[in-house]
Amino acid sequence: GQNIDQPTEMTATEGAIVQINCTYQTSGFNGLFWYQQHAGEAPTFLSYNVLDGLEEKGRFSSFLSRSKGYSYLLLKELQMKDSASYLCAFAGNKLTFGGGTRVLVKP
Amino acid sequence: DTEVTQTPKHLVMGMTNKKSLKCEQHMGHRAMYWYKQKAKKPPELMFVYSYEKLSINESVPSRFSPECPNSSLLNLHLHALQPEDSALYLCASSQDFQGPLFEQYFGPGTRLTVT
Repeated sequence: GQNIDQPTEMTATEGAIVQINCTYQTSGFNGLFWYQQHAGEAPTFLSYNVLDGLEEKGRFSSFLSRSKGYSYLLLKELQMKDSASYLCAFAGNKLTFGGGTRVLVKP
Repeated sequence: DTEVTQTPKHLVMGMTNKKSLKCEQHMGHRAMYWYKQKAKKPPELMFVYSYEKLSINESVPSRFSPECPNSSLLNLHLHALQPEDSALYLCASSQDFQGPLFEQYFGPGTRLTVT
C-alpha cells in the first residue's frame, strides 16, 4: 500500500514562513493534493500538483518532484487563522491521506 | 453552489439501532465518497461511487451499507454498530474519479457516537 510521510507537528511565529514536507511512494501516481483542516471541521482543498514544479496561490505554494516522490507546502506571511492540520494526499486509484501536520502559529 | 451538505450533524445511536446518514451535492459531480475520521487521524476512505455505481469498497464491514439513489444523493445505512465505530463521517464529491477533476469537496461531517 501507499506510505505517505509528513511531520506530525510544526510551530511558527505570526508573519513567518513554514514549509511542510511530504514524501510518498511513486507507483501509480495521478497527482498530489494538499488540504487544510481546522479542528472539528471538514478538510478544504488548497492545491493540486500533477507536474513537477511550483504552484503558487497567494500566500500558499506547493511544490512537486515526481521522480523523488516529494512535495512541500509553503505557507508565507503566517496568520493566526493558519493554525490547522495540513493533509498531504496521494491520488492513485483513490485518494490516500497522510497523517497530517498540525501547524501552530504563535503571536 | 460549491457545497456538500450532510445530515444529521450529530447522531447518537445504540448498538441495536438502525440509522442513516445523508449527503447531498448539486455541483453536477459524478463521484461521491464516504470517509471515516477518528480524532487526530486523517480521513480513511470507506466507499467510492462513480456515476452512481459502487467503484471502491475498502473492505468495510457489512454493518455499513452505502446507497446512491441518484447522482446528487449518497446515503450510508448503519446497523448493529460497535462503540469503536464512533467517529466523524465525512462525505465528499468530485467532478470525476481521477485526474485533474479529482479535487474533492467535503461536507461538514456527521459526528456519530455509538453507545
